[in-house]
Formats: sequence, C-alpha cells, structure tokens
Amino acid sequence: SQKIEQNSEALNIQEGKTATLTCNYTNYSPAYLQWYRQDPGRGPVFLLLIRENEKEKRKERLKVTFDTTLKQSLFHITASQPADSATYLCALYSGYSTLTFGKGTMLLVSP
Amino acid sequence: EPEVTQTPSHQVTQMGQEVILRCVPISNHLYFYWYRQILGQKVEFLVSFYNNEISEKSEIFDDQFSVERPDGSNFTLKIRSTKLEDSAMYFCASSEQVFNEKLFFGSGTQLSVL
Repeated sequence: SQKIEQNSEALNIQEGKTATLTCNYTNYSPAYLQWYRQDPGRGPVFLLLIRENEKEKRKERLKVTFDTTLKQSLFHITASQPADSATYLCALYSGYSTLTFGKGTMLLVSP
Repeated sequence: EPEVTQTPSHQVTQMGQEVILRCVPISNHLYFYWYRQILGQKVEFLVSFYNNEISEKSEIFDDQFSVERPDGSNFTLKIRSTKLEDSAMYFCASSEQVFNEKLFFGSGTQLSVL
C-alpha cells in the first residue's frame, strides 16, 4: 500500500539553527511533492512544490530536496525562528485529484 | 488575498442528526475538496469535486456523506446521520487546476458529535 512517512517525534531546535525534516514515501511514483505548514486548529498552508526533475527548490529561508531514487524529500528551514514552530506536512498525489498527506512533523523552535 | 471561508467554525450535534458544513471556495478555482482531521491524526482526504460531479472519493466518504454546489459560490458537505466517530475538524479546500496543483485550505469546522 502507499505510505508517506514523516518523523512522528517533535523536532526541538534552538533559534538560529537549521531545522531538517524528512519525508519518505513508498509505492508512489510522484512527479511532484508538496510541503505544507499547519498551525494548531488551522488548515494546512502551502509552502513549496518540487518537481521530480528538480533536485532542490528554495524560497526565502526554506529549502526542499527531492530524491526519487531514495524516495525521500528533505525540508530545511535555515536561521529558524520561534514563529516557525508548527507542524510541517509532506503531501503527494495518489490519484488524479487526491492529495494525500503524511502525518506531519511538529517543529518547536525555542528562543 | 483571496481565501477559502468555512462556516460554522464549530458545530455541536447529537448522534443521528444531519449536519451541513459550508464552504466558499476561492472564486476562480475550479476544483473543490473536503478533508477531515481527527484530533492528533493526519489530514485525510474525503472527496474532490469538479464540474458539479464527484471526481474522486475515499473509503471514508460512504453513503452517509454527500457534497453539493448549490449555487455559484457555496460548496457543502452533508453528513446524513452523524456518528460519534464523525467528530473531527473538517477542512474545505480549492485549487485552480488539478493534479500536482497546490491546495488552498479554509480554517475548518470543528464538528463534535455527542
């Protein structure tokens, strides 16, 4: 069966450090992979989309990599801030219009 | 910035009652979705909707659920006879296109079934 796996344990880091979150998937052959941010009690917010032919994508302090051989994406936040504390979700299309989410990894950035 | 709006933000109902959750997608978007999130669990796909038809649906979306676009702006999710296990946050989303397109989510309706 198709699976999207993200670290279930919260990631605690200090302000200013780089946070790295992992997304692994099985039984998908995605052309694209997406990352979203979710704050408590709120809907997911789109952050970045990376295509299979892109090794890396950047947006301000965010960087995403996509390795289709390893079936893995890494999501980096550089110079992290307490305001970056949230749950980060990896998502893939498992059908024509079915975007499937991983469970997400909670990031806690302490001052 | 355009946004997806959902009403109500909270809904409490008795088991067996019907509920209708409402959403106004972003105006130029063509694809609409409902997701749910049980407390502490992942965001789960329920259904996608395009051109007044269901495009895809998950196993969760059984005969108790239905969706409708009653007019040019609203998109609704109806649960015919609510169960305790329907208690969750329900998110509406929309997108301009489909497949590999980013989704825009509303703030959700917290449904509590007593």
